[in-house]
Amino acid sequence: GQNIDQPTEMTATEGAIVQINCTYQTSGFNGLFWYQQHAGEAPTFLSYNVLDGLEEKGRFSSFLSRSKGYSYLLLKELQMKDSASYLCAVNDDYKLSFGAGTTVTVRA
Amino acid sequence: KAGVTQTPRYLIKTRGQQVTLSCSPISGHRSVSWYQQTPGQGLQFLFEYFSETQRNKGNFPGRFSGRQFSNSRSEMNVSTLELGDSALYLCASTGGGAVYNEQFFGPGTRLTVL
Repeated sequence: GQNIDQPTEMTATEGAIVQINCTYQTSGFNGLFWYQQHAGEAPTFLSYNVLDGLEEKGRFSSFLSRSKGYSYLLLKELQMKDSASYLCAVNDDYKLSFGAGTTVTVRA
Repeated sequence: KAGVTQTPRYLIKTRGQQVTLSCSPISGHRSVSWYQQTPGQGLQFLFEYFSETQRNKGNFPGRFSGRQFSNSRSEMNVSTLELGDSALYLCASTGGGAVYNEQFFGPGTRLTVL
């Protein structure tokens, strides 16, 4: 079976940094995705890790440790528009298994 | 390039009815996946099609079915609707992106079962 865990909610101040952790135990693994989903909208792609290490993309970075079944998404210089749900998803050939999502609220 | 489109965007049905949802992938994409999203269960994988063949299936009852046509458009069908089928149904297409298996999501169909 698939087990993907991430915190339910996080709150941070505008301009701050927030780290969203994701741990997974899955039957297969072909990479890990992070998606952002604003309320009432479809998920949009943020990042992808298939090898261990850090991937940086502007204000967003994602880290993967396959041996530990662990990933995190780092959001820097938070802006109000970053208030959204962040979904961790494991790719297992032709199928994405999602965590329940972490709702991030950015306060002024 | 047009994104993934889904029709209809909103649907209201009653228990026992059946429903068909449609998804048109991004041009050139041959893989279409379907997901159900509810507040309680989050995003759950339904099935994936590639070149008209189902390659993977999630843990949903047989009332949920799908198919893909030769032009890669896909439909999913839910028969004998139950109240618990009320959800946002998302489809995603894959292929052509710089990231392996990156899935581009459509806006979803919001199904309400009364």
